[in-house]
Amino acid sequence: EPEVTQTPSHQVTQMGQEVILRCVPISNHLYFYWYRQILGQKVEFLVSFYNNEISEKSEIFDDQFSVERPDGSNFTLKIRSTKLEDSAMYFCASSPLTGTSGTNSYNEQFFGPGTRLTVL
Amino acid sequence: LAKTTQPISMDSYEGQEVNITCSHNNIATNDYITWYQQFPSQGPRFIIQGYKTKVTNEVASLFIPADRKSSTLSLPRVSLSDTAVYYCLVALNQAGTALIFGKGTTLSVSS
Repeated sequence: EPEVTQTPSHQVTQMGQEVILRCVPISNHLYFYWYRQILGQKVEFLVSFYNNEISEKSEIFDDQFSVERPDGSNFTLKIRSTKLEDSAMYFCASSPLTGTSGTNSYNEQFFGPGTRLTVL
Repeated sequence: LAKTTQPISMDSYEGQEVNITCSHNNIATNDYITWYQQFPSQGPRFIIQGYKTKVTNEVASLFIPADRKSSTLSLPRVSLSDTAVYYCLVALNQAGTALIFGKGTTLSVSS
């Protein structure tokens, strides 16, 4: 069964450093997402991406964040200058479709295993 | 966006049926009800989705009354491996892309 993969599984970095988190979405999916989960807290939406551009971003996704699909398979999240409060699990997700159309709803997103980011 | 309310935690024993109820009083006509499961240190996983009445798959059943102001996720004969956080989600965000997670229900299954 196809699955979303993420690398690395754990990233440790110093405050102020740049990090790039990588994801390989499921190959025939069209929508890509990043979420984060601070330890003990709920899963929070960061950004959605479709047709090589950002569809939507949350308030968390400020100028220090960027996303890119550099080739046909990878989807990356870059944090330009990490802060202590960026420490969290970062989940990539993908879906073939999204939204609601007529009687159909496309709320199934496939999540990767996550990257644990620790900022020291 | 419709707000959901579900119990913070539930305890059960192996072999029992577990029912987790979620209230969503201001659900919109177009909203679907979706449940996700999350194991520790893993990403959420889609379990089931429904609009009204009852939906059943190989993992769970979802019961939705006629007024759709609540829903119940039913897990038959739980095992230790069903210990997880269960999230009830109603609607995507207004743009129709992001899943909006609450705090979920932490289900603990004991032997």
